[in-house]
Amino acid sequence: AQSVTQPDIHITVSEGASLELRCNYSYGATPYLFWYVQSPGQGLQLLLKYFSGDTLVQGIKGFEAEFKRSQSSFNLRKPSVHWSDAAEYFCATTDSWGKLQFGAGTQVVVTP
Amino acid sequence: GAVVSQHPSWVICKSGTSVKIECRSLDFQATTMFWYRQFPKQSLMLMATSNEGSKATYEQGVEKDKFLINHASLTLSTLTVTSAHPEDSSFYICSARGTGTASGAQYFGPGTRLLVL
Repeated sequence: AQSVTQPDIHITVSEGASLELRCNYSYGATPYLFWYVQSPGQGLQLLLKYFSGDTLVQGIKGFEAEFKRSQSSFNLRKPSVHWSDAAEYFCATTDSWGKLQFGAGTQVVVTP
Repeated sequence: GAVVSQHPSWVICKSGTSVKIECRSLDFQATTMFWYRQFPKQSLMLMATSNEGSKATYEQGVEKDKFLINHASLTLSTLTVTSAHPEDSSFYICSARGTGTASGAQYFGPGTRLLVL
């Protein structure tokens, strides 16, 4: 079954530093992959998605993600984080019925 | 584009009462809507999938008689928590997927926080 794994539960990064969040998927064919962000007490906002084509995907808020089939990964990156990027980040894929399968999430803390 | 609203954003009710939560897609038609429940510090748990004009499909372990879902139009789905009890207190989030392939992105509402006293 399709699934994603986020190895890092919690990441602390300094403001202005780069950020990379890891996501690994398990699926034989090309998966549909998503990154969502959730601020405290809020719903989820779609940052970017990958269906096919160019493996480097640009999203909103300066985020990008790269699909690497050889590593079964879809890591999220941002060159320079802002304090407002502190949030919970979820990687997700869809199963055969179109249901989202979420990773456990990575909590990002941004320090001054 | 792709905005989903939820109402109310938070609700406090007495045990035994019923609570209705609305989920609306504001600028697109959603053939499928999803209802999730989220506990603190956890990921989202899918409760049910709702298709416009048909009965909702519930995930294993979710009581369909307790969590009534109605998807009467392409822009509105409702979740009614019947005879709510304190253990139903949670953060409920809906999402909507537009027309197109089943693998399309889902757009989420801001969530509804329910507290049952």
